[in-house]
Amino acid sequence: DAKTTQPNSMESNEEEPVHLPCNHSTISGTDYIHWYRQLPSQGPEYVIHGLTSNVNNRMASLAIAEDRKSSTLILHRATLRDAAVYYCILRDHSGNTPLVFGKGTRLSVIA
Amino acid sequence: NAGVTQTPKFRVLKTGQSMTLLCAQDMNHEYMYWYRQDPGMGLRLIHYSVGEGTTAKGEVPDGYNVSRLKKQNFLLGLESAAPSQTSVYFCASSYLDSTEAFFGQGTRLTVV
Repeated sequence: DAKTTQPNSMESNEEEPVHLPCNHSTISGTDYIHWYRQLPSQGPEYVIHGLTSNVNNRMASLAIAEDRKSSTLILHRATLRDAAVYYCILRDHSGNTPLVFGKGTRLSVIA
Repeated sequence: NAGVTQTPKFRVLKTGQSMTLLCAQDMNHEYMYWYRQDPGMGLRLIHYSVGEGTTAKGEVPDGYNVSRLKKQNFLLGLESAAPSQTSVYFCASSYLDSTEAFFGQGTRLTVV
């Protein structure tokens, strides 16, 4: 399985943008980049995913490098509720592939 | 619409006892997963299923068995519980491997 590398932790001030990086230098052509986050004492929740083009939804934006070897999850305006562990995951959409988590990045938001 | 429901939410077992954790989803999802999460750690995949009647091993399958007799249910069994299986267990489901996965609220299991 293709692997991802994320910083262990990051810190942000409330109401400022946050850029969470993810390196995936061995990504294959059929791998999508998925992001999930896990709030304290909860199960993970889906954030966003993409293949090549940048993606936006109500929660975040996903910026994907042109060579696809890295990506960045962007939270446009961090709130205290965004404090969570963020997981960057590669998923092959060709079928029968499980959802495997890495260690993720623990984001702290300072008021 | 309940989503993904895990039963029970909490359980304390004695070493050597057996139990079954139930995961139920009402979204007609094909894929279902069982994970464990130890304190301060990420989620590790135990077993998963890509459809009714199918199961496959994940990263840490030893000591666990699973069954998917009905599409909506995915059962995780511990035949002889050990203290090393003390953890929070999460179940998830997704329609395909390309669609978002929905997670249950977790089962906190303590083996003494």
